[in-house]
Amino acid sequence: GDSVTQMEGPVTLSEEAFLTINCTYTATGYPSLFWYVQYPGEGLQLLLKATKADDKGSNKGFEATYRKETTSFHLEKGSVQVSDSAVYFCKANAGGTSYGKLTFGQGTILTVHP
Amino acid sequence: NAGVTQTPKFRILKIGQSMTLQCTQDMNHNYMYWYRQDPGMGLKLIYYSVGAGITDKGEVPNGYNVSRSTTEDFPLRLELAAPSQTSVYFCASNQQGTNYGYTFGSGTRLTVV
Repeated sequence: GDSVTQMEGPVTLSEEAFLTINCTYTATGYPSLFWYVQYPGEGLQLLLKATKADDKGSNKGFEATYRKETTSFHLEKGSVQVSDSAVYFCKANAGGTSYGKLTFGQGTILTVHP
Repeated sequence: NAGVTQTPKFRILKIGQSMTLQCTQDMNHNYMYWYRQDPGMGLKLIYYSVGAGITDKGEVPNGYNVSRSTTEDFPLRLELAAPSQTSVYFCASNQQGTNYGYTFGSGTRLTVV
């Protein structure tokens, strides 16, 4: 069945370090792919998205490229800040009978130290 | 824009009590969802709706009911609260189509004692 697998955390980095959080998906056809961020005590917010192969989504210094050949959508940031500490969720939106039922990845906790 | 509004923000229930979690969106989104998030865990889909009058079960529907009489509102009903339902509940909505991201409410933190 359709699913999303995220890199397990937690991830702990020092400020200005490079960040990668892996996400791979299994879905029928070509889903749209999303990254969401959840800050402590808040709901999820859409961070970025890509709707077709080779698209790159970007926002707030974060980037992710839709790789059809590896079915991946890894989140990257060149220089993290303390304010990036949050939980990050990957999600795929596939059409057909799976729509609405696909869950989020399990989430990756990121902690950035000064 | 208000976006997705959830009420209440916090609630403590006794075992066996009932309550309704309210969710309203003002973006004219057809699709709406209820998720629960247990401490330190990811999101699990409880129910979703693709339009007024249409609802369907997600991964963990047992112990919950929903209705969708209007496009704007998607209340979640707990009939007989159990400690296993202690969680944070999030409502979300999006436009029809796979290219659209979700807009989330700020959540309802429910404790059943």
